Amino acid sequence: DVKVTQSSRYLVKRTGEKVFLECVQDMDHENMFWYRQDPGLGLRLIYFSYDVKMKEKGDIPEGYSVSREKKERFSLILESASTNQTSMYLCASRLVDTIYFGEGSWLTVV
Amino acid sequence: QQQVKQSPQSLIVQKGGISIINCAYENTAFDYFPWYQQFPGKGPALLIAIRPDVSEKKEGRFTISFNKSAKQFSLHIMDSQPGDSATYFCAATLSNSGYALNFGKGTSLLVTP
Repeated sequence: DVKVTQSSRYLVKRTGEKVFLECVQDMDHENMFWYRQDPGLGLRLIYFSYDVKMKEKGDIPEGYSVSREKKERFSLILESASTNQTSMYLCASRLVDTIYFGEGSWLTVV
Repeated sequence: QQQVKQSPQSLIVQKGGISIINCAYENTAFDYFPWYQQFPGKGPALLIAIRPDVSEKKEGRFTISFNKSAKQFSLHIMDSQPGDSATYFCAATLSNSGYALNFGKGTSLLVTP
């Protein structure tokens, strides 16, 4: 079974804090993705990565950065968290034409 | 702008009925159209997908109908069951773009007993 693991399920952070969301996949997939899910807006792509040290901006990259130093790990970074970044964040990886999602990280910024 | 438009936003169907969710897309270069199912507290999971070289694909009670000329595709759930109650997302992508999916806004389906 493909496994995409998001280590933090629920986080509460203060405005201005630096936040790291970690994602690990165990199937040697090349492509990995970070999405944000908000009610009524669906899933929106923040960043994706084709390979180690490669990254591409998605539809809503402002306020976020990413890091992919190892193939299995893709991190989403909020340099200075703001309340409008309160959301559920979903990591995903690709095998052939199937995208597999993690269970999500619920982030609340207060 | 929204590249994939999904309707309805919510849907209530009686057990045994047919659930139909519709999506429309803009980019004629899209070549892969998956549907994802999401239960509360879980990440989305692939349900069924289609490529534009076929007009219909069926897997069990789930069928995708695809109309290339109208740039529309739909999900039909036959004999809907309470266990099908979930949020459904359609998506579209270019396979040569690394499969970065463009999602619709989702449909919340409730199947009543």
